[in-house]
Amino acid sequence: SQKIEQNSEALNIQEGKTATLTCNYTNYSPAYLQWYRQDPGRGPVFLLLIRENEKEKRKERLKVTFDTTLKQSLFHITASQPADSATYLCALTPVDSNYQLIWGAGTKLIIKP
Amino acid sequence: SQTIHQWPATLVQPVGSPLSLECTVEGTSNPNLYWYRQAAGRGLQLLFYSVGIGQISSEVPQNLSASRPQDRQFILSSKKLLLSDSGFYLCAWSGGEYNSPLHFGNGTRLTVT
Repeated sequence: SQKIEQNSEALNIQEGKTATLTCNYTNYSPAYLQWYRQDPGRGPVFLLLIRENEKEKRKERLKVTFDTTLKQSLFHITASQPADSATYLCALTPVDSNYQLIWGAGTKLIIKP
Repeated sequence: SQTIHQWPATLVQPVGSPLSLECTVEGTSNPNLYWYRQAAGRGLQLLFYSVGIGQISSEVPQNLSASRPQDRQFILSSKKLLLSDSGFYLCAWSGGEYNSPLHFGNGTRLTVT
């Protein structure tokens, strides 16, 4: 079956360290992969998009990698801060889809001061 | 800049009652519009999307319907709510390009009692 997986357990990181979140997928040929941040009771907020032919994308303290051989994307937050605490969602767009994003369930990140 | 408004933020409705959730977008024309439902611990589930006025695509057969009476207005409705309709409903918009990210409203927490 086709699925996209994120670690369901919360990730606890000490402030100042790098947080790394994982998104794995099976049986898809994604054209794009996106990462979103969601705070409790709020809608997701778009962070980064990476294309299948890109290995890495950066935005300030954020970095996303995309390995289509491993079928995996990694999301890194460097110099993490308590304000980075949130749930992070990954979503992919299959090559044969127009508007249907396939979503992971998200990983809760907790940055401890 | 573009903004999206979704209301109400919370709603408690009895089983069998009607539902109307409204979403409006400002600052853009002819957006793609989406209704998602988010269940705890699960990925976002696409319910409906629309690429233009009066054009609605349903992804999941259910007790809900959607309408787009104006370019930047998207409405989610039900004639008779079921207990299983409880959840967190999110409206989103995107540009027309294939890889456009989604921009979400702050959601409606619906509890059917």
